[in-house]
Amino acid sequence: QVQLVESGGGLVKPGGSLRLSCAASGFTFSDYYMSWIRQAPGKGLEWVSYISSSSSYTNYADSVKGRFTISRDNAKNSLYLQMNSLRAEDTAVYWCARELHTATTITGAFDMWGQGTMVTVSS
Amino acid sequence: DIQMTQSPSTLSASVGDRVTITCRASQSISSWLAWYQQKPGKAPKLLIYKASNLDTGVPSRFNGGGSGTEFTLTISSLQPDDFATYYCQHFRYTFGQGTKLEIK
Repeated sequence: QVQLVESGGGLVKPGGSLRLSCAASGFTFSDYYMSWIRQAPGKGLEWVSYISSSSSYTNYADSVKGRFTISRDNAKNSLYLQMNSLRAEDTAVYWCARELHTATTITGAFDMWGQGTMVTVSS
Repeated sequence: DIQMTQSPSTLSASVGDRVTITCRASQSISSWLAWYQQKPGKAPKLLIYKASNLDTGVPSRFNGGGSGTEFTLTISSLQPDDFATYYCQHFRYTFGQGTKLEIK
């Protein structure tokens, strides 16, 4: 079955850490760029971070730069997001998403999403 | 940084209506624009990529257009399943604030 499944969310105190995981199945994970996107309660979508297929390139939203680290293990078909120094404003549903590419080009669009994992930062 | 602005923020329409949502970029983004549909409690669903390309399985009543700084998502004949929130997105990074499509 072609799917992404996130895990690792939960309640954490401000300043704490959390590691999110995303397990991919049903497709060749190592062929795809992957991203994390989040949505705070009642708010819009915010891209968080991306990683290239071979981990050569990563990028982060300014709001998480220096605090979050994205990584992947292609042998385990898994994507990760290490979140440190968490703040109340990091409270959100976090999704991992696959970036669509055609035979000739990348697209910058996300054609597969997980079900999401909730992260709550509160004392 | 490139900003994406959608209009309107809320749109009320009836089944069978033709509706258009607009997304404007703060500078030219060529055709690097995607559209998503999101229903409450669910992950977004990709509708359109590279401004006008329909993702696999998306009904043909959805149409994307535009380039440069102005883009549109048109739904030709609204179906009950189309009432949702729609987001535009510039190449991987920046999302618009969303347009909620409500039943009139």
